[in-house]
Amino acid sequence: ETGVTQTPRHLVMGMTNKKSLKCEQHLGHNAMYWYKQSAKKPLELMFVYNFKEQTENNSVPSRFSPECPNSSHLFLHLHTLQPEDSALYLCASSQEGTFANEQFFGPGTRLTVL
Amino acid sequence: GENVEQHPSTLSVQEGDSAVIKCTYSDSASNYFPWYKQELGKGPQLIIDIRSNVGEKKDQRIAVTLNKTAKHFSLHITETQPEDSAVYFCAAASLNTDKLIFGTGTRLQVFP
Repeated sequence: ETGVTQTPRHLVMGMTNKKSLKCEQHLGHNAMYWYKQSAKKPLELMFVYNFKEQTENNSVPSRFSPECPNSSHLFLHLHTLQPEDSALYLCASSQEGTFANEQFFGPGTRLTVL
Repeated sequence: GENVEQHPSTLSVQEGDSAVIKCTYSDSASNYFPWYKQELGKGPQLIIDIRSNVGEKKDQRIAVTLNKTAKHFSLHITETQPEDSAVYFCAAASLNTDKLIFGTGTRLQVFP
């Protein structure tokens, strides 16, 4: 276990649904991240939160909406998604919000958009 | 923009043999190079990293080498075991841009 949990592990949704992904870290870290992992492509950084403040939005469509109520929890709210949004969504945390430190990843949520 | 190229995309080796995965990066200001291992159904996990002030780092059967002049770095796994089978990702981070750019991954299969 890495100390980062994600729920649900699998999610199937229609294009008109609204759902949320949840991430929780038990490591006392100050930075949390959302990544999208698609087959044959590099991990794509979506959002970064550092001390609960969003410090990066990597040109992500507005149908993805992050929320970070505290340093331990991170949500990704989904609405009106497209089939091409189907992917593995990974949450990660690190001690500080600089990329020159180890990131601890959760197991991911496998999302399928029908 | 910055990118990291990783080769090969798949690698099959016999148990006990060595495996080498290579990455090249484009941003000359990159100064941190982690390697992550992702097993089936799990998220990536850091296995070794190297910073630009050293040329080589070793941890038991795993070693990483860095050539800053050529802008490439490599992961070496010796005496491979079936449990080494996974997808390995390299990445490069730059203090200037504060971005971590990942490679596309290498699927390593170790056959007993």
